Amino acid sequence: KQEVTQIPAALSVPEGENLVLNCSFTDSAIYNLQWFRQDPGKGLTSLLLIQSSQREQTSGRLNASLDKSSGRSTLYIAASQPGDSATYLCAVSRDSSASKIIFGSGTRLSIRP
Amino acid sequence: NAGVMQNPRHLVRRRGQEARLRCSPMKGHSHVYWYRQLPEEGLKFMVYLQKENIIDESGMPKERFSAEFPKEGPSILRIQQVVRGDSAAYFCASSPPRGQGAVGELFFGEGSRLTVL
Repeated sequence: KQEVTQIPAALSVPEGENLVLNCSFTDSAIYNLQWFRQDPGKGLTSLLLIQSSQREQTSGRLNASLDKSSGRSTLYIAASQPGDSATYLCAVSRDSSASKIIFGSGTRLSIRP
Repeated sequence: NAGVMQNPRHLVRRRGQEARLRCSPMKGHSHVYWYRQLPEEGLKFMVYLQKENIIDESGMPKERFSAEFPKEGPSILRIQQVVRGDSAAYFCASSPPRGQGAVGELFFGEGSRLTVL
């Protein structure tokens, strides 16, 4: 049974710092992995999607890496800003239909001005 | 191009009443997924539907919960005889048909927050 773990549950850093969020999964037979952002009381916004054949994806100040063999993914945020404060969720899918996406419980990130 | 639309955004029900949550997927998307998020917990898969078909309902409680995605109109998640434990945020997501867009990418609505008194 696939389990997705995100550590730490909460993180607070001063503005301007580079930071890394971690995600681990127990079953390496994944189809893809997604990182989402969730603001309080809001829905999820897809940040980056990495297919199982890929090693990383980049979008602006965000870079996500995937190491299937070790069951790990990291989300790197460069030059953090207060507007980056949100909960970041990692989710893995076992097939192309996305019907069984398994979510981690998230890392609540706070960027201090 | 409007995103995934959910309504109502907030719903208050008393124990024993019915709750109906609606979701209109993104234009051109034919796959709809419902998730539930309990306070301080991650999202849990409930049901996956395509037009007029339930593909996977393994995450949905066997009693009181039902879902549909008719040929015309939005997908509906229906909860009968609600209990306090049903209080949660219910999220709908949609994805494009195979061969369009990034395979397996989900687009989420802003959720419907159900409070049972």
